[in-house]
Amino acid sequence: KQEVTQIPAALSVPEGENLVLNCSFTDSAIYNLQWFRQDPGKGLTSLLLIQSSQREQTSGRLNASLDKSSGRSTLYIAASQPGDSATYLCAPSNYGGSQGNLIFGKGTKLSVKP
Amino acid sequence: DARVTQTPRDKVTEMGQEVTMRCQPILGHNTVFWYRQTMMQGLELLAYFRNRAPLDDSGMPKDRFSAEMPDATLATLKIQPSEPRDSAVYFCASAMGDQPQHFGDGTRLSIL
Repeated sequence: KQEVTQIPAALSVPEGENLVLNCSFTDSAIYNLQWFRQDPGKGLTSLLLIQSSQREQTSGRLNASLDKSSGRSTLYIAASQPGDSATYLCAPSNYGGSQGNLIFGKGTKLSVKP
Repeated sequence: DARVTQTPRDKVTEMGQEVTMRCQPILGHNTVFWYRQTMMQGLELLAYFRNRAPLDDSGMPKDRFSAEMPDATLATLKIQPSEPRDSAVYFCASAMGDQPQHFGDGTRLSIL
C-alpha cells in the first residue's frame, strides 16, 4: 500500500527566501506525481504534474523534481512571497489513464512572512 | 474559468439524518472523484466514475454511503444514516483523461 510522507509538516520563512518541500513515497511503481496547493477553506489547485519518465517540471517560480527509484519528490519555490502561504500536498498515482489512485500526503503548511 | 461546483457549502445535521452532497463537474470532463478530508486521515479517495460508470468505490463505507452520477452534469454522494464520525470536508474533483484533477471548494459536513 502506497504511503506518502511530507516533511516538514509546517514551515515559516521570511519573504524572498528560496525553499524546498519534501515528499517521499513507499511504492516507486508510480505513473505520475502531482503537487497541489490548498488555501484555507478551499479545494486543491494542481501546480505541477510530473510523469514517471520525467525528472522535473517547472512553472514560473516553482520547480518539482522526481526521483522515482528512491521514492522522492521535491517542490522548490524560488523567491517566496506572502501569497505563496498555503498547504502544499504531493500525490503520486500508481495507475494510468484515470488518475484514480492519487494517494495524498498530509501536506506542508507554508507561511511566508512579509 | 470553468469550475467544479459543489453544494451545499456547509451542512450541519443530527446523526441519523440523510445527507446528500452534489457536484457539477466541469463540462466535458469524463472522470469524477469524491474525496474526504479530515485532520487525522488527510485526503482519502472515496469513489470515482469514468463516463458516469463507477470504477472504484473501495474507499467508501458501503453500508451507509452511496455515490451516483444520474447524468454527465451531476454527481451525488449520499450518507444514510449519518454518524458523527462522518464529519469532514467532502471534495469533488473532475478531470479529462490523464489531465490534472480540478477540485471544488468542498462541502463542510458536521454531524451532531
